[in-house]
Amino acid sequence: AQSVTQLGSHVSVSEGALVLLRCNYSSSVPPYLFWYVQYPNQGLQLLLKYTSAATLVKGINGFEAEFKKSETSFHLTKPSAHMSDAAEYFCAVRRATGANSKLTFGKGITLSVRP
Amino acid sequence: KAGVTQTPRYLIKTRGQQVTLSCSPISGHRSVSWYQQTPGQGLQFLFEYFSETQRNKGNFPGRFSGRQFSNSRSEMNVSTLELGDSALYLCASSRQSQASSYNEQFFGPGTRLTVL
Repeated sequence: AQSVTQLGSHVSVSEGALVLLRCNYSSSVPPYLFWYVQYPNQGLQLLLKYTSAATLVKGINGFEAEFKKSETSFHLTKPSAHMSDAAEYFCAVRRATGANSKLTFGKGITLSVRP
Repeated sequence: KAGVTQTPRYLIKTRGQQVTLSCSPISGHRSVSWYQQTPGQGLQFLFEYFSETQRNKGNFPGRFSGRQFSNSRSEMNVSTLELGDSALYLCASSRQSQASSYNEQFFGPGTRLTVL
């Protein structure tokens, strides 16, 4: 079985500051890992994904994440926060393949950006 | 290319009623997955349909059911609604089944169901 832990439910940063959203996963098989963003009253949009290629993954809107197997982590970072980054962020894991492959999401983290 | 569409966007029902939600996937996508999003439980997988067959199912009671049509459009039905069924129901489509190698899921805007 797979699971995801996102520590904390809310992160607040100043505009221009570093964004760091933490994600730790548990998986009995090599995982695929994802970060999604959800803006109010909208569905989820894929920010980036790890599918066993490069461990440092670059996504849209200046976000990136690094897969660290030894730490079972996939933290999301952005060097400089923008007001438009305020949203809810979800980390997700799934098996690479197999009949039971499905996305398992963390609880989500709300990011606030202060002017 | 049109994205995933879900209808209706908002729905209010009373306890005991039943409800049907609809999802139209992106053209060419054959897999449709459904998720329930609530403040307490977060995002939870309901089920996946691929080529009109249910391929995977989450841990939800039998009151939650779905189906997929030959044009890949999908519906989910909730019978005997309970207050706890109030949630945002999200649909996601992808080209292939989640059981195959990675293929991105594209999410619709969701249907907000309120049960009174």
